[in-house]
Amino acid sequence: AQTVTQSQPEMSVQEAETVTLSCTYDTSESDYYLFWYKQPPSRQMILVIRQEAYKQQNATENRFSVNFQKAAKSFSLKISDSQLGDAAMYFCAYRRGNNNDMRFGAGTRLTVKP
Amino acid sequence: NAGVMQNPRHLVRRRGQEARLRCSPMKGHSHVYWYRQLPEEGLKFMVYLQKENIIDESGMPKERFSAEFPKEGPSILRIQQVVRGDSAAYFCASSRGTGLDNEQFFGPGTRLTVL
Repeated sequence: AQTVTQSQPEMSVQEAETVTLSCTYDTSESDYYLFWYKQPPSRQMILVIRQEAYKQQNATENRFSVNFQKAAKSFSLKISDSQLGDAAMYFCAYRRGNNNDMRFGAGTRLTVKP
Repeated sequence: NAGVMQNPRHLVRRRGQEARLRCSPMKGHSHVYWYRQLPEEGLKFMVYLQKENIIDESGMPKERFSAEFPKEGPSILRIQQVVRGDSAAYFCASSRGTGLDNEQFFGPGTRLTVL
């Protein structure tokens, strides 16, 4: 079974600083995808960034980047130059290559201090 | 370019009543997924449907829960004889097809409260 673990229930960061959210996963598959979703108070699920397991290069999207360590099954999210609007729940998610259902971690609540 | 639509956004039911949650996928999307989010938890997969077919219902409770995606109209998640433990946010997502290039787009969710 595939499981996703987020070991940090809560994190805080000062505005303009950098923060890293941790995620580990367990799988025996070789073909899979990893995602980070943001859920603000509106509860809308917003895709932040995604990574294909076969790609060695870490994905980046503006201020968001990941550190994908396939052997360690680790997929952390780095947010640079944090902004007040980044405050939200962040969920790490996993999806097998030949499947469509996604497995989510329990989430990390990020607070951004002005 | 409407996104995934869900209604109602909020639903209150008393124990023993039925809850019907609707999901209209994005235009051109024929794959629908339902997820449940309990308070302070991540989303849990429930069921994956393609037009008129249930593809994977491994995450859906065997009793009281059912889902459909008819040829015409929205996908429906039906919960019969609701209990307090059914109180959660239910999210629908849709995709054009399968594979990474077919990203799942999420709706705003329906928050079900069972009194």
